[in-house]
Amino acid sequence: AQKVTQAQTEISVVEKEDVTLDCVYETRDTTYYLFWYKQPPSGELVFLIRRNSFDEQNEISGRYSWNFQKSTSSFNFTITASQVVDSAVYFCALSEALGQGGSEKLVFGKGTKLTVNP
Amino acid sequence: DGGITQSPKYLFRKEGQNVTLSCEQNLNHDAMYWYRQDPGQGLRLIYYSQIVNDFQKGDIAEGYSVSREKKESFPLTVTSAQKNPTAFYLCASSVWDGRFYEQYFGPGTRLTVT
Repeated sequence: AQKVTQAQTEISVVEKEDVTLDCVYETRDTTYYLFWYKQPPSGELVFLIRRNSFDEQNEISGRYSWNFQKSTSSFNFTITASQVVDSAVYFCALSEALGQGGSEKLVFGKGTKLTVNP
Repeated sequence: DGGITQSPKYLFRKEGQNVTLSCEQNLNHDAMYWYRQDPGQGLRLIYYSQIVNDFQKGDIAEGYSVSREKKESFPLTVTSAQKNPTAFYLCASSVWDGRFYEQYFGPGTRLTVT
């Protein structure tokens, strides 16, 4: 079965520090997608990134960057120069096919709660 | 604007009562899903529906029921058989864009049962 592990339950940093959130996954599929979501206190899930298993290029979007390493089954997320507004719970997720209907579900890690202090 | 609507945002019920959570989407997506989130936990799949009039159990379906009579609606009923119903419930829908299934999430309903 698919599994996503986010070993860091909570992280606390001071504003402007860099912080890396770890994500390790297990899958038997050769093709899959990995995701990161942000969940602010309001509860809604905010999509951050999707990565195809065939694309191991690192990606940077502003202060956010992602490091995908298939050899270690990891998909880590780094926030550079963190800000108070980055405080949230961050989830890593892995796609899993659902039966023959063709759709997919997401398998989530337990999340990492990030607190950025001023 | 297209999106997923869940109402209400907060719901309170007495133990032993059934309660139905609403999920509506106007994205014309075929597939819809219900996830449950407990404190300190990731989301877990309750039920999913890939097409109208069809639905399947997810990983934690016991104590829940759903219906899919219309493409845009996928209500979830939390029955009295659900032993720990207090949780945050998220509805999602997805569409195949030629490469993968893009999942869209609603704002969630926080259910408290006392």
